Amino acid sequence: GAVVSQHPSRVICKSGTSVKIECRSLDFQATTMFWYRQFPKQSLMLMATSNEGSKATYEQGVEKDKFLINHASLTLSTLTVTSAHPEDSSFYICSASDSGVSSYEQYFGPGTRLTVT
Amino acid sequence: GENVEQHPSTLSVQEGDSAVIKCTYSDSASNYFPWYKQELGKGPQLIIDIRSNVGEKKDQRIAVTLNKTAKHFSLHITETQPEDSAVYFCAAISRTNAGKSTFGDGTTLTVKP
Repeated sequence: GAVVSQHPSRVICKSGTSVKIECRSLDFQATTMFWYRQFPKQSLMLMATSNEGSKATYEQGVEKDKFLINHASLTLSTLTVTSAHPEDSSFYICSASDSGVSSYEQYFGPGTRLTVT
Repeated sequence: GENVEQHPSTLSVQEGDSAVIKCTYSDSASNYFPWYKQELGKGPQLIIDIRSNVGEKKDQRIAVTLNKTAKHFSLHITETQPEDSAVYFCAAISRTNAGKSTFGDGTTLTVKP
């Protein structure tokens, strides 16, 4: 149980274009989804937290107009990188949680490797 | 906010030996401490976790200990195998921080056959 998928696993796009990454919880309802980016040999950096049906909460320094997050259902959240630039190239990972008051487990997706040329 | 420090950054052991990775945290309100294993090019995988009302938890070759007073927790892997080679991250979640995880910087574990 607790499987999270991401699509696509890899994407290459040209500078200036937009890319959408999907994150799905396959066998549970995710009340909260988190989006991270990870640079090589570094830890995960939280970008934003999204709760189903409400606006995402972005971490300091993350441009909300550049990284659009939608969490329209309890099993799907999307991250759209708008007007991508080479510096946006990174490994993007989502996690999902069905956290109640006493449960904080997060289940991670396999990640999406974005390369902007 | 929460700050998590993880040591060592790299660890190399011989197959069959034990490996220990340690983390410290700063927020006394943190009450959930997961450990993740990340293989190259993949997302992190939860391998074990512990809550603040428990001092130790074990799952086959993997164990985690928690010292709330000292604010540190450790991952113990016994009888290491080459397939244990990966990057391991600790994390702390505070009940006052909306379920957000604060991660350590990771430990690259290499198990030599």
